[in-house]
Amino acid sequence: QKEVEQNSGPLSVPEGAIASLNCTYSDRGSQSFFWYRQYSGKSPELIMSIYSNGDKEDGRFTAQLNKASQYVSLLIRDSQPSDSATYLCAVTRMNSGGYQKVTFGTGTKLQVIP
Amino acid sequence: DAGVIQSPRHEVTEMGQEVTLRCKPISGHNSLFWYRQTMMRGLELLIYFNNNVPIDDSGMPEDRFSAKMPNASFSTLKIQPSEPRDSAVYFCASSVRGLIYSGNTIYFGEGSWLTVV
Repeated sequence: QKEVEQNSGPLSVPEGAIASLNCTYSDRGSQSFFWYRQYSGKSPELIMSIYSNGDKEDGRFTAQLNKASQYVSLLIRDSQPSDSATYLCAVTRMNSGGYQKVTFGTGTKLQVIP
Repeated sequence: DAGVIQSPRHEVTEMGQEVTLRCKPISGHNSLFWYRQTMMRGLELLIYFNNNVPIDDSGMPEDRFSAKMPNASFSTLKIQPSEPRDSAVYFCASSVRGLIYSGNTIYFGEGSWLTVV
């Protein structure tokens, strides 16, 4: 079982719709959760972070965390063609050395159709 | 803020040659990471430095890979000898507080695109 799992997609949504991206993780000790966006040929950039159960909203983006079910999701409202990118889920957990290790999922490719 | 600076941006080399990738982290950041990204395996952490000291190198694939951080503003990732399966994008990233705190944010460089033929 992968530590962080995402559907590779592509997920296609029409412009203006809500895009829903999901991520599950295997380690119940995971503590911090992040969503990164990566445009083709570019580096990942952080768009959302969430640390406690519930929803966190930032503009058109909402991150949702459910530690009991071990999943984290990202909702993008009013999707725009410029949102077309690969979205990476990242999870941190404490390793044996006492440091938090960041593990990335393989990403979900989102296509917003004009 | 100049961001994380990596060089070279693109490199094509022949199998068996030595490859050296370079990274300058964001000034003031005390943690540095080397990641490798491929279509099949996604983004993999190779090695992590905190205050110039290697903390976790469990992701380094084999002895052909080595990484150094001689000072707070410079790191190298070396592959010797290189093989075609090493072809990937190698990202360097840095952060301000290290991985011992929750909520750490990692800033990525633009990546070094390596092709080994």
